[in-house]
Amino acid sequence: KNEVEQSPQNLTAQEGEFITINCSYSVGISALHWLQQHPGGGIVSLFMLSSGKKKHGRLIATINIQEKHSSLHITASHPRDSAVYICAVRRNNAGNMLTFGGGTRLMVKP
Amino acid sequence: DAGVTQSPTHLIKTRGQHVTLRCSPISGHKSVSWYQQVLGQGPQFIFQYYEKEERGRGNFPDRFSARQFPNYSSELNVNALLLGDSALYLCASSLAGSYEQYFGPGTRLTVT
Repeated sequence: KNEVEQSPQNLTAQEGEFITINCSYSVGISALHWLQQHPGGGIVSLFMLSSGKKKHGRLIATINIQEKHSSLHITASHPRDSAVYICAVRRNNAGNMLTFGGGTRLMVKP
Repeated sequence: DAGVTQSPTHLIKTRGQHVTLRCSPISGHKSVSWYQQVLGQGPQFIFQYYEKEERGRGNFPDRFSARQFPNYSSELNVNALLLGDSALYLCASSLAGSYEQYFGPGTRLTVT
């Protein structure tokens, strides 16, 4: 079993829909990252969080440390949100090493 | 300020050859990490270097090696290439003491 699991693997939504991507992990962590990867490979960091909730524009990320679970929400989705969203955790005492989930491929249709 | 840069962008090699990939971190960043992303999967950690010293190594064979130079740029070397080494190789840099990582565009390696 992977240490970081994401669901769903693939997601298709209509423009304007509210989207939720889930991430569960099985190890102790010091931080969790949500990343966005567009076709071509470039990765952009969306959030880094260790507790609670963060919001940036239409994106919201939450984490529940006790349940070892995080969610990424996209409100009022838009076709430009189409990308792969990746959850990555920084394990305790692992320095800068990140352990990644397999990614969620999101397509938002107009 | 320029972001993390990687070269080359794309590379095609033959089985058994070796390859050198290069990464220049954001100015002021002293930590560089390398990741391998096979098509359809999440990235896998290969190495982390900080102040020219290896600070972490993932579960990769000894064919993979890396180094960091005094200007904090880094090279990833892979010897005796296998078909399975075909992947996107990502470099990320970070400031000392920060967990925030900034990723480069990656080098796409194809081994035939």
